[in-house]
Amino acid sequence: RKEVEQDPGPFNVPEGATVAFNCTYSNSASQSFFWYRQDCRKEPKLLMSVYSSGNEDGRFTAQLNRASQYISLLIRDSKLSDSATYLCVSFTGGGNKLTFGTGTQLKVEL
Amino acid sequence: DVKVTQSSRYLVKRTGEKVFLECVQDMDHENMFWYRQDPGLGLRLIYFSYDVKMKEKGDIPEGYSVSREKKERFSLILESASTNQTSMYLCASSLLMSSGNTIYFGEGSWLTVV
Repeated sequence: RKEVEQDPGPFNVPEGATVAFNCTYSNSASQSFFWYRQDCRKEPKLLMSVYSSGNEDGRFTAQLNRASQYISLLIRDSKLSDSATYLCVSFTGGGNKLTFGTGTQLKVEL
Repeated sequence: DVKVTQSSRYLVKRTGEKVFLECVQDMDHENMFWYRQDPGLGLRLIYFSYDVKMKEKGDIPEGYSVSREKKERFSLILESASTNQTSMYLCASSLLMSSGNTIYFGEGSWLTVV
């Protein structure tokens, strides 16, 4: 089982829709989590950090459920420019280690 | 803004050649990383360094070596390139990872080994 798992998608949604991605992690020692956005053939860029129960930034909300070991990313009022791959990342302090999921692809359509 | 610069963006090399990928960061970050990214496999850590002249193996170090002679520069070396090393290589840097500080990526180096 992969340490961080994501549904690869693609998620095809109309502009204005609300879409949610889940990410599950297997290492209960993971301390914090991140969502990165990666555009096609570009480098990943930080979207949000998730240190406790959750975080909200404009149209984006990230939630952490430690009991069930998953992190979610909710995007409201989707824009065409939100089309990208979203990477879930866990940080484990003991090993000073970042583990990346393989990403979920989002396509927002007119 | 943090800047992580990978000088070679697109390279085509022959099997058996020695390949150097250079990375420079301008934010005085302690940590530097080399990842490779392949479809369906995500980002995999090759090596990382938490200080000058220090290096640690990541998940897939075989066939690679690294050098960190200066804090701002972290080089990835493929001693004898093979076709299975065709990939996108991403350099990254961050402050100390005590709480999982943000990691900043360079734009990537696309390497094709023929």
